[in-house]
Amino acid sequence: AQKVTQAQTEISVVEKEDVTLDCVYETRDTTYYLFWYKQPPSGELVFLIRRNSFDEQNEISGRYSWNFQKSTSSFNFTITASQVVDSAVYFCALREMGQFYFGTGTSLTVIP
Amino acid sequence: DAGVIQSPRHEVTEMGQEVTLRCKPISGHNSLFWYRQTMMRGLELLIYFNNNVPIDDSGMPEDRFSAKMPNASFSTLKIQPSEPRDSAVYFCASSLPGVNTGELFFGEGSRLTVL
Repeated sequence: AQKVTQAQTEISVVEKEDVTLDCVYETRDTTYYLFWYKQPPSGELVFLIRRNSFDEQNEISGRYSWNFQKSTSSFNFTITASQVVDSAVYFCALREMGQFYFGTGTSLTVIP
Repeated sequence: DAGVIQSPRHEVTEMGQEVTLRCKPISGHNSLFWYRQTMMRGLELLIYFNNNVPIDDSGMPEDRFSAKMPNASFSTLKIQPSEPRDSAVYFCASSLPGVNTGELFFGEGSRLTVL
């Protein structure tokens, strides 16, 4: 069974639109970490955020915000007022027992 | 601070040749991961080391693949003999000590093409 599910394979939005990338995870551990990574067309994997299982506060960083809900096992990522530079593949990941589990990624295209 | 350093960045080789990919993790990181990324299979974990010891190598495709970590600052991933289906981007990543803490820091990847 997939531990991290990113049901949206590809999303296209027009610049300045808001977009939410969904992430659903599965774990039996009470202590775990969730992450989002960005992979722009240049190919590197860039860390965006880490959230531990005991902190359900939403987080905002500029145009980026994250909504962590343990009740639904979701850790969604919203980009407000999207820009062309946001075009990338975004990966959600779960860390439990030392291992990392990545979702299959959501490819976001922001159309100018 | 230097990030995770991988070499070579690009490798083109012919089927049957031996390929060795190298990785230097961030100093102080005691966990090291090798991933393979392809369009078809996405990001796959190949092997994971903790304190230089392989913890989980269940993702290593077959006997043609081997990985070593002789010390805390160096790891290799070897493919022998290489096949066209091994063409992919291979990422090395490291993280801080702690079972569940710490994000992964990725290298820039080694793009392998096997002709």
